[in-house]
Amino acid sequence: GENVEQHPSTLSVQEGDSAVIKCTYSDSASNYFPWYKQELGKRPQLIIDIRSNVGEKKDQRIAVTLNKTAKHFSLHITETQPEDSAVYFCAASKAAAGNKLTFGGGTRVLVKP
Amino acid sequence: NAGVTQTPKFRVLKTGQSMTLLCAQDMNHEYMYWYRQDPGMGLRLIHYSVGEGTTAKGEVPDGYNVSRLKKQNFLLGLESAAPSQTSVYFCASSYRRQLRTGELFFGEGSRLTVL
Repeated sequence: GENVEQHPSTLSVQEGDSAVIKCTYSDSASNYFPWYKQELGKRPQLIIDIRSNVGEKKDQRIAVTLNKTAKHFSLHITETQPEDSAVYFCAASKAAAGNKLTFGGGTRVLVKP
Repeated sequence: NAGVTQTPKFRVLKTGQSMTLLCAQDMNHEYMYWYRQDPGMGLRLIHYSVGEGTTAKGEVPDGYNVSRLKKQNFLLGLESAAPSQTSVYFCASSYRRQLRTGELFFGEGSRLTVL
């Protein structure tokens, strides 16, 4: 089955700096790559996603890039703010598999004021 | 519109006891899932359902059973709880057609402790 690796496991940045989280996946048939944000004690919520026919997608301060050949994708957060502090999860799935998401292990991001 | 609701939110069990977690969604989603979340291991899929009356195994199904008798409900059962099942359990639901949206909508989570 699919295997998703996520790095780093923790990331500390100064407010205003950028943060980058990287993920690799194993199944070349995966075609959907979402990112979820989970604040402390809360449920995971989708923040951005990308499909395999797109190389990059941006939404205000967050962006995701996908390299299908290398089977890796990344989340970029620019101009970080204290409210960006959370755990971020990458995931991968393929449409034929019941939309099942395989998640990475998560990255705990701490934005220091 | 409550979204995805899980009950109970907290539960403490003794080893060998049984219990059922209930998940209800009011978004008319076809697909439903049960994940468990453990520190450093992300979310791992236990079981899922692609429609009323259907269930399938995920990554870590052992020790759990599920049922989906109604489209809006997905039950997760532990027949004989073990300390290794101490975790936070999340239910989620999604539309069938990924081209529409692949987003999973999660419940608030249920924290289970097995002593």
